[in-house]
Amino acid sequence: SYELTQPPSVSVSPGQTARITCSGDALPKKYAYWYQQKSGQAPVLVIYEDSKRPSGIPERFSGSSSGTMATLTISGAQVEDEADYYCYSTDSSGSRVFGGGTKLTVL
Amino acid sequence: EVQLVESGGGLVQPGGSLRLSCAASGFTFSSYWMSWVRQAPGKGLEWVANIKQDGSEKYYVDSVKGRFTISRDNAKNSLYLQMNSLRAEDTAVYYCARDLQAVAGIYFDYWGQGTLVTVSS
Repeated sequence: SYELTQPPSVSVSPGQTARITCSGDALPKKYAYWYQQKSGQAPVLVIYEDSKRPSGIPERFSGSSSGTMATLTISGAQVEDEADYYCYSTDSSGSRVFGGGTKLTVL
Repeated sequence: EVQLVESGGGLVQPGGSLRLSCAASGFTFSSYWMSWVRQAPGKGLEWVANIKQDGSEKYYVDSVKGRFTISRDNAKNSLYLQMNSLRAEDTAVYYCARDLQAVAGIYFDYWGQGTLVTVSS
């Protein structure tokens, strides 16, 4: 079955740039999406179609994709950005897959 | 404002049944696919099932096929998940999510707050 692979954790200091990666064989042909999930809350879409930002999402959140890897970048990470981040995509058959999640620590 | 509110979770014994509901508002419910996504305690997200706007197409993750049934009532702006033959591994927070099937891709753009299902004796 199709898998998306993320690092379990990323840690940065406030104001630094955080980068979270997501690798998957179908990413050259399929868009990546990113969800932020703060403790005890529902997921929130922060990036769609590799690099688009929904309304209301701060500009410090950006996304990119190249080959089999998609990247979520948080420029000038803030304490309130501390959360679990999940990448999501589909495979060639349309199966929906989430990455295992990355815990972002900002301290 | 899009709102999705789940209900119906609780404690159930293995082999038992539970019916989850999701009340939708703030958008034209009948125009969208809808999904259920779950998250086991301390674990990641897993898509469970989805249903087409008119209910004519339904899809399930392999682990719930034959046990769970997704349905909707567009007149009531409501989504349902009937869960039978529940197992301990079905223990999770179940989220209702709006399922956006755009030409470019398929994803979830709005989520409810979730309802906890615990399967235990």
